[in-house]
Amino acid sequence: KAGVTQTPRYLIKTRGQQVTLSCSPISGHRSVSWYQQTPGQGLQFLFEYFSETQRNKGNFPGRFSGRQFSNSRSEMNVSTLELGDSALYLCASSLEHGGANYGYTFGSGTRLTVV
Amino acid sequence: DAKTTQPNSMESNEEEPVHLPCNHSTISGTDYIHWYRQLPSQGPEYVIHGLTSNVNNRMASLAIAEDRKSSTLILHRATLRDAAVYYCILRDAYSGSARQLTFGSGTQLTVLP
Repeated sequence: KAGVTQTPRYLIKTRGQQVTLSCSPISGHRSVSWYQQTPGQGLQFLFEYFSETQRNKGNFPGRFSGRQFSNSRSEMNVSTLELGDSALYLCASSLEHGGANYGYTFGSGTRLTVV
Repeated sequence: DAKTTQPNSMESNEEEPVHLPCNHSTISGTDYIHWYRQLPSQGPEYVIHGLTSNVNNRMASLAIAEDRKSSTLILHRATLRDAAVYYCILRDAYSGSARQLTFGSGTQLTVLP
């Protein structure tokens, strides 16, 4: 079956702009999470959605937001981009919401560069 | 949240077994032990998880100490494709932390031909 699909793979934006990233989870997976990966901070949790509701949020400013659609696809948005937002943004999906007895499947990520 | 400690790096020879250790001395009774790995230029990949008993799957084996304060991920025959950063993560089954993965710095595994 198809894995987690993230689009686009690469993106270059200018400071102050906004960006929207897309994630299509594995078919049947209803939980979608987003992570940011930078060389300095490593992998950090952004937020998690289940059944179109944000269930958990990491320690990021309000410029980072997301949503989930009825088909479980998810988008994340970053407004007023800063140079420090340059990172690999990863999406992960899971069959079970919050269940520690399930693993997550990650996409290959969107590489965002802010100039 | 309970924390994990892993060596920064390890080396292994191709086709030999690799034992990747993880210490989690403050683990709670409801913490699952999860392992992920991240190959270069890819997202993390789920490897295996367990609670109390040793676990095996097609990718690896997970050996959990009897007191659960440590665990070991075993790759039975390392290949060059196994070169990656390996993360040991605890997930509490009964708290909000189960809804997110808290990644540490992991172990960078180098496989030598």
